[in-house]
Amino acid sequence: NAGVTQTPKFRILKIGQSMTLQCTQDMNHNYMYWYRQDPGMGLKLIYYSVGAGITDKGEVPNGYNVSRSTTEDFPLRLELAAPSQTSVYFCASSYESALGYTFGSGTRLTVV
Amino acid sequence: RKEVEQDPGPFNVPEGATVAFNCTYSNSASQSFFWYRQDCRKEPKLLMSVYSSGNEDGRFTAQLNRASQYISLLIRDSKLSDSATYLCVVGYNNNDMRFGAGTRLTVKP
Repeated sequence: NAGVTQTPKFRILKIGQSMTLQCTQDMNHNYMYWYRQDPGMGLKLIYYSVGAGITDKGEVPNGYNVSRSTTEDFPLRLELAAPSQTSVYFCASSYESALGYTFGSGTRLTVV
Repeated sequence: RKEVEQDPGPFNVPEGATVAFNCTYSNSASQSFFWYRQDCRKEPKLLMSVYSSGNEDGRFTAQLNRASQYISLLIRDSKLSDSATYLCVVGYNNNDMRFGAGTRLTVKP
């Protein structure tokens, strides 16, 4: 099992550009999540999904969109990149949320 | 007040020492509790869940005090490989986990 795979690992975007952060898991987990981690701060939930076709906003959804067309994939879309979106993004999945999460290795995004 | 608060540290301890971290949370309706470990520039990894009765996994012991709204992590006989940031995580419902900013531990030879 590869677990949770995120691509790319690093990216530099210019203000106003768009991009998609990819996340895929091969553990047949229903629950998937996107978090961002800023220095000195706890991880903040952007969006989550409880199964294919179902997504919902987390704590900091503004500026992002997601889709969940399959159980395996949960891409995160940034439409108009802003410097405030400079962060490390982690995708995670779980069989049940009460069992804890498996995280991907993260995407370091810089918006200049 | 932050929902999940941790002392950022750093805690610098010698090998073999016992070290303890506390984490306080503000929402009394919290249902699930975890400790994660995060190495520098890596993803968080689940260290252990925290149960009401307390639980132990080798050198690691986690405790929950619902009345005072804190959880703790005790590491005995610290190893160099224990050096990391320890994240406290509190779940309010199935899909709302709140992460603390982490406590940094450095174990020195």
